[in-house]
Amino acid sequence: GAGVSQSPSNKVTEKGKDVELRCDPISGHTALYWYRQRLGQGLEFLIYFQGNSAPDKSGLPSDRFSAERTGESVSTLTIQRTQQEDSAVYLCASSFRLSGANVLTFGAGSRLTVL
Amino acid sequence: AQTVTQSQPEMSVQEAETVTLSCTYDTSESDYYLFWYKQPPSRQMILVIRQEAYKQQNATENRFSVNFQKAAKSFSLKISDSQLGDAAMYFCAYRSAGNQFYFGTGTSLTVIP
Repeated sequence: GAGVSQSPSNKVTEKGKDVELRCDPISGHTALYWYRQRLGQGLEFLIYFQGNSAPDKSGLPSDRFSAERTGESVSTLTIQRTQQEDSAVYLCASSFRLSGANVLTFGAGSRLTVL
Repeated sequence: AQTVTQSQPEMSVQEAETVTLSCTYDTSESDYYLFWYKQPPSRQMILVIRQEAYKQQNATENRFSVNFQKAAKSFSLKISDSQLGDAAMYFCAYRSAGNQFYFGTGTSLTVIP
C-alpha cells in the first residue's frame, strides 16, 4: 500500500478483555516496529521485527503483550486481559533499509481505551 | 541503551518568527542517524529532517534546519518563518547501528498568530 495502515483506528474495551491491533506496513518494508504512546507522553518502544530474524521483544511491558508478523507483511499486536493502564495510542512504523538513510514511516495509530 | 533528552516540554513562537527546539542524546556509537519527527493533532508522525552522524554539514529542508554538534551530542531543530501549520508535537529520535530507534519525550510547539 501507499502508507502504513493500522486498524482499528479506535477501540474501546472492558477491563479483562483481549484486544488485537493490526498493522499493514508499506509493501517491501522489511522492518516493522510497535510503539506505545500514552496521553501527552513520548513513544515507548514495544517490539521490532526485521525480516525473518528473531524479533526484538525487549520493550514488551508484560507477558500480556505479544506480537506476530507473517514474513514481511502484516503484524498483529495482542494484549490479553487488558488493564486500564494499557489505554494509549499504539503506533506502528515500518522501514525499508537495514542501513543507510533508513527512516521510519508511521501509521496513524490505534487508540485503545480500557474502561 | 541510548537515551534522547528533550528538555523543553513546551515552546511557543510568534508566526513568521524563528524557534529552536533542543535535543541531546547519549551514545557510545560513532555511526548513527538523528531525526526530527512532527506529530500534529491528527497523531500521524511525519519525518521533518534527518542527519547522518558522519556528515559535518548540517541538514536543511526548506524552513527547517538542524544544528548538529557531534562532540556535544546535541541536535537542535530550527524552524524559520514559523507558520500556523507548524504547531505540533516534535520528537527527536536516534537510530542506532542495530536499527533501533529511540525517541525523546517531545516538545509541544504552539504558533501564535
